[in-house]
Amino acid sequence: AQTVTQSQPEMSVQEAETVTLSCTYDTSENNYYLFWYKQPPSRQMILVIRQEAYKQQNATENRFSVNFQKAAKSFSLKISDSQLGDTAMYFCAFMRYPQGGSEKLVFGKGTKLTVNP
Amino acid sequence: EAGVAQSPRYKIIEKRQSVAFWCNPISGHATLYWYQQILGQGPKLLIQFQNNGVVDDSQLPKDRFSAERLKGVDSTLKIQPAKLEDSAVYLCASSFLSSRDEQYFGPGTRLTVT
Repeated sequence: AQTVTQSQPEMSVQEAETVTLSCTYDTSENNYYLFWYKQPPSRQMILVIRQEAYKQQNATENRFSVNFQKAAKSFSLKISDSQLGDTAMYFCAFMRYPQGGSEKLVFGKGTKLTVNP
Repeated sequence: EAGVAQSPRYKIIEKRQSVAFWCNPISGHATLYWYQQILGQGPKLLIQFQNNGVVDDSQLPKDRFSAERLKGVDSTLKIQPAKLEDSAVYLCASSFLSSRDEQYFGPGTRLTVT
């Protein structure tokens, strides 16, 4: 079974600074997806960024980028120029590559990020 | 485009009572998911539907939980009888065709069992 570990329960950062959230995972699969989801205090979870394991290039979405280290099974999220609206729970998630069917998301326990003014 | 709708937003019941949650996915989305998110943990998939068929219900406690998706659109999740450990946020999500597509989440229903 796949597991996802987020070792930082809480983090804080000053507005406009950069912060990195850590995530490690355990799998014997070679093809899979990795995700970062954001859950603001209102609770609606939204997708921040997605990485396909076969792609060597790290995914980037505006101020959000990942550092994907496949051999180390590490998938960290970097938030640049942090904004107050980035305050939220961040969840790392894993999904095996679907092969003829559906696969489920496996989430970590989350990191609570607070952006201070 | 309207998002995933859920109701109620909050529910408080006593143990051994029953409760039902409702979810309306994004229009045109074939796949619907129910997750349980216990405080301090990430969401855990309970059941996944594709249209009105069950794709995965391996983590659904079937002795007390049931779910249906009539006509492949709306879905209800029921707990009967509830236990204290069922206190959690129940999230509904939908995706266009399958789990390969982005999942869009609803605001959730916070259940407290006393």
